[in-house]
Amino acid sequence: DQQVKQNSPSLSVQEGRISILNCDYTNSMFDYFLWYKKYPAEGPTFLISISSIKDKNEDGRFTVFLNKSAKHLSLHIVPSQPGDSAVYFCAASDPQTGANNLFFGTGTRLTVIP
Amino acid sequence: DVKVTQSSRYLVKRTGEKVFLECVQDMDHENMFWYRQDPGLGLRLIYFSYDVKMKEKGDIPEGYSVSREKKERFSLILESASTNQTSMYLCASSLYPGHDYGYTFGSGTRLTVV
Repeated sequence: DQQVKQNSPSLSVQEGRISILNCDYTNSMFDYFLWYKKYPAEGPTFLISISSIKDKNEDGRFTVFLNKSAKHLSLHIVPSQPGDSAVYFCAASDPQTGANNLFFGTGTRLTVIP
Repeated sequence: DVKVTQSSRYLVKRTGEKVFLECVQDMDHENMFWYRQDPGLGLRLIYFSYDVKMKEKGDIPEGYSVSREKKERFSLILESASTNQTSMYLCASSLYPGHDYGYTFGSGTRLTVV
């Protein structure tokens, strides 16, 4: 059963506009959330994270919002740039599951149109 | 910077061959993982290891085995390669405890089985 869901497999946005990528989860024990970015033929790289005790974390053009009551998080990219075109994976951590504690969504492919 | 190195970026193997994918990390991480990534299916965990000589099955272990003889090295073995194992294979490592830091991924191995 998929505990982390990214319901939009793809998203297209004009350069300069805002990109909003969404992620839903079911496990209330998740206490840390991460976003990874993946270019073709490369491994995912860490982008930004947020602890469950916060509702917002910002890093330059990237902001992650967490709504615990709705079990929903989102990644905002403003302004979007063509180099942001990639697959974005949402991940959530359950500290009680031991070594294998990170659960991934299925990814959203973002295309930023110049 | 943590480095996770996968020995091959691209591999082409014949059906029935035994295939070895190698992964080495240089930051003394306890945990190592093998995923495969397929379009629309996200990252699927094949096997992981939380210590030398220890291994645990992930979500899709069938047709695969692993070996961890040294802490820094985690090998994925396809006992008899089949065309449905054509995929992008990603190795990752993590520090435990310390789930806050997420996983660090290698650059991936694109395996084609013909």
